[in-house]
Amino acid sequence: NAGVTQTPKFQVLKTGQSMTLQCAQDMNHEYMSWYRQDPGMGLRLIHYSVGAGITDQGEVPNGYNVSRSTTEDFPLRLLSAAPSQTSVYFCATRVSSGANVLTFGAGSRLTVL
Amino acid sequence: AQSVAQPEDQVNVAEGNPLTVKCTYSVSGNPYLFWYVQYPNRGLQFLLKYITGDNLVKGSYGFEAEFNKSQTSFHLKKPSALVSDSALYFCAVRDFWNAGNMLTFGGGTRLMVKP
Repeated sequence: NAGVTQTPKFQVLKTGQSMTLQCAQDMNHEYMSWYRQDPGMGLRLIHYSVGAGITDQGEVPNGYNVSRSTTEDFPLRLLSAAPSQTSVYFCATRVSSGANVLTFGAGSRLTVL
Repeated sequence: AQSVAQPEDQVNVAEGNPLTVKCTYSVSGNPYLFWYVQYPNRGLQFLLKYITGDNLVKGSYGFEAEFNKSQTSFHLKKPSALVSDSALYFCAVRDFWNAGNMLTFGGGTRLMVKP
């Protein structure tokens, strides 16, 4: 099992450009989520999904879109990148029920100039 | 609303000495509590969790944490630190009744273990 796979690992964008961060998992987890990590602020939830066709906003959703057409994939879209979106992004998944543990991807480092 | 505080940005300890990384939380109901560790350029890895039952929880790599309901704390401990324990540690909380399944993380504490 590959677990949670994120691509790309690194990306540099110019302000106003768009891009998609990919997240794929092979564990059949219902729950998938995107976090951003900024120094001193821990991880903040952007969007999450409890199953295919179902998404919801987290703590910091502005400037990001998501969709969940399959159980395996949960892409994060930046429609018009801003310098404030410079961050490290993590995809995390788990089984929905109970207090199950999150499995994290290796992260995607995004720089917006 | 739920929140987590990690009051120390960095903890320094000598190898072989005991270590404590502090965490306090706030939830409206009963908490699920977690500790995760992040090594450089890696994603977070699960260390241990508290759901219910015994207040002392044992986890991976010799770490343990003590749940204290009256002090709303969940401090991470290890009796004897190793240089390889040096990493960034995150405490996280989820409200037992939170239908949104949101996990709230603290700001992280960097642990430095010196030989």
